Amino acid sequence: QLQLQESGPGLVKPSQTLSLTCTVSGGSINSDNYYWSWIRQHPEKGLEWIGHISYSGTPSYNPSLKSRVSISIDTSKTHFSLELNSVTAADTAVYYCARGSIGSKVDSWGQGTLVTVSS
Amino acid sequence: DVVMTQSPLSLSVTLGQPASFSCRSSQSLLYSDGNSYLSWFQQRPGQSPRRLLYKASNRDSGVPDRFSGSGSGTDFTLTISGVEAEDVGIYYCMQGTYWAPVTFGQGTRLEIK
Repeated sequence: QLQLQESGPGLVKPSQTLSLTCTVSGGSINSDNYYWSWIRQHPEKGLEWIGHISYSGTPSYNPSLKSRVSISIDTSKTHFSLELNSVTAADTAVYYCARGSIGSKVDSWGQGTLVTVSS
Repeated sequence: DVVMTQSPLSLSVTLGQPASFSCRSSQSLLYSDGNSYLSWFQQRPGQSPRRLLYKASNRDSGVPDRFSGSGSGTDFTLTISGVEAEDVGIYYCMQGTYWAPVTFGQGTRLEIK
């Protein structure tokens, strides 16, 4: 059974870079059949797609974050990563990693990790 | 961006009664392969979202058959045939036909009356 687990610092200072890793188990990351995504949820708010990457393809990002975000995939180590630079308090959110088929884009989710931006 | 609009924003339903959730997209979600990539997710309190339905009407494995989906083009509906206590939470629709970005509706909160 596929499991996704986010990890990384829970507190990041303003203007610094938020870095998270999603470890994939119970399934192969080495497949062009899936997209590997990052999604965030601001406190008591809805869901915002950050971007995704396929095993061999070019990453795709939300235009609202594109200038600050980078998603990469490490197929040899079965994980993918998110970097969001120049963070502000508005980036405080629960960050989820997720997997989805080429069509539907998102199906399985990690448990999420809260990242707070504060000095 | 494709805007997803859900209604109502909040729903209060008696146990055993049906519940209906609406989701409208600002553009048709019909993709060139003939599929509409509209998914429904349930987020129970304190949990991560769980997908219930994909391609508008296909139930995910393990999802009770009281959940059903319908619709095409720009109008979609999630129906719970008889609400149970464990169904409390927020329900989101999401379109995957157009990216970037993939977009979500603002959610409908379901509570028990």
